[in-house]
Amino acid sequence: EDQVTQSPEALRLQEGESSSLNCSYTVSGLRGLFWYRQDPGKGPEFLFTLYSAGEEKEKERLKATLTKKESFLHITAPKPEDSATYLCAVQAGSNYQLIWGAGTKLIIKP
Amino acid sequence: GAGVSQSPSNKVTEKGKDVELRCDPISGHTALYWYRQSLGQGLEFLIYFQGNSAPDKSGLPSDRFSAERTGGSVSTLTIQRTQQEDSAVYLCANKLNGGADTQYFGPGTRLTVL
Repeated sequence: EDQVTQSPEALRLQEGESSSLNCSYTVSGLRGLFWYRQDPGKGPEFLFTLYSAGEEKEKERLKATLTKKESFLHITAPKPEDSATYLCAVQAGSNYQLIWGAGTKLIIKP
Repeated sequence: GAGVSQSPSNKVTEKGKDVELRCDPISGHTALYWYRQSLGQGLEFLIYFQGNSAPDKSGLPSDRFSAERTGGSVSTLTIQRTQQEDSAVYLCANKLNGGADTQYFGPGTRLTVL
């Protein structure tokens, strides 16, 4: 069964303390892996799409990487405004539906 | 507008009443999804529209739920005889077309059934 698991469920960091969020997946025929950020009371905001193992993408303090089994979202020297829930989703084969993880709630303390 | 909009932003209703949620998509984006997000949970697929093709309704949880998309643009999600377990955030998302990958989300409608 296709599945996406995110860990940890929640992560509290001090401002400036770098860390990584994990998204593990088991799907047949990965077509793309997506990272979104969701602030309270808002819809998910698109961050990155990764298509093949070894691919990396960066945006400000965020860097996403992809292997054949998992993706990491690295956060370097985070700021309080990076606090949000980060969602991972996978698209497999010709299926237009995304398989979503439950998210990691990130809290950055000043 | 430039992005996906949804209305109302919040809806409080009594158990047993019908509700209608609206999604105004990005102009020219032909693919449209509805999702449900319960507190602390991932996104649950409800329904998918792509152009003039028959919608994929496989995610609708019961026959109380229905959706339509008029003229390939505005979509409405209707929940009849609402139940307390229907309380959630309902999200609408667009893709440029059926082949493109990235989905862009609206702000959601928070539904509370008392």
